[in-house]
Amino acid sequence: ETGVTQSPTHLIKTRGQQVTLRCSSQSGHNTVSWYQQALGQGPQFIFQYYREEENGRGNFPPRFSGLQFPNYSSELNVNALELDDSALYLCASSLAARTGGNTEAFFGQGTRLTVV
Amino acid sequence: DQQVKQNSPSLSVQEGRISILNCDYTNSMFDYFLWYKKYPAEGPTFLISISSIKDKNEDGRFTVFLNKSAKHLSLHIVPSQPGDSAVYFCAASVYWNYGGSQGNLIFGKGTKLSVKP
Repeated sequence: ETGVTQSPTHLIKTRGQQVTLRCSSQSGHNTVSWYQQALGQGPQFIFQYYREEENGRGNFPPRFSGLQFPNYSSELNVNALELDDSALYLCASSLAARTGGNTEAFFGQGTRLTVV
Repeated sequence: DQQVKQNSPSLSVQEGRISILNCDYTNSMFDYFLWYKKYPAEGPTFLISISSIKDKNEDGRFTVFLNKSAKHLSLHIVPSQPGDSAVYFCAASVYWNYGGSQGNLIFGKGTKLSVKP
């Protein structure tokens, strides 16, 4: 068991709505990354948070935003949902070392978002 | 443009035999490579990694080989077991310094491995 938990596991939303997905990091980890996995594709990097600040962003529009809290849990918010946002959203936590680099990322089970 | 490519969508092997999963990359800045295994309805599970300063890393039945000149890596599973049946993702990143992100993983599309009893 990785210790990374995501909620909810499944969600159905209507186009144009907003959604918030939540992630609880593995104990001791200070870095959270979010990925989107469309059907038949590999996970795609959305953004990463380190010590409550965004620390890297993939090719996703600004309507994808996030937060990291002092306890290192995290939220992914998506505004103005589009049909193409339907995907599995994965959260991964890792530990960034002061001397550089991170431990391997451990993933949660994901949230399956369906936009209708 | 895909920076990490897994050209075989699926692979079927007999139990006890070797499974070889391949991965190619295009970005010469990548210096850290990982393999993840994913079962349906679960998140990816870390399997094994390799730094670009090595050409081989072994962990039990799993060995990863890296050929930097060819920008190619492979995962060998010996012997293959039915429980190994899953989708395997190759991922790459740049392992940069403090405050940077090794977490920015670039994934391939995955190879579905089926190990038949």
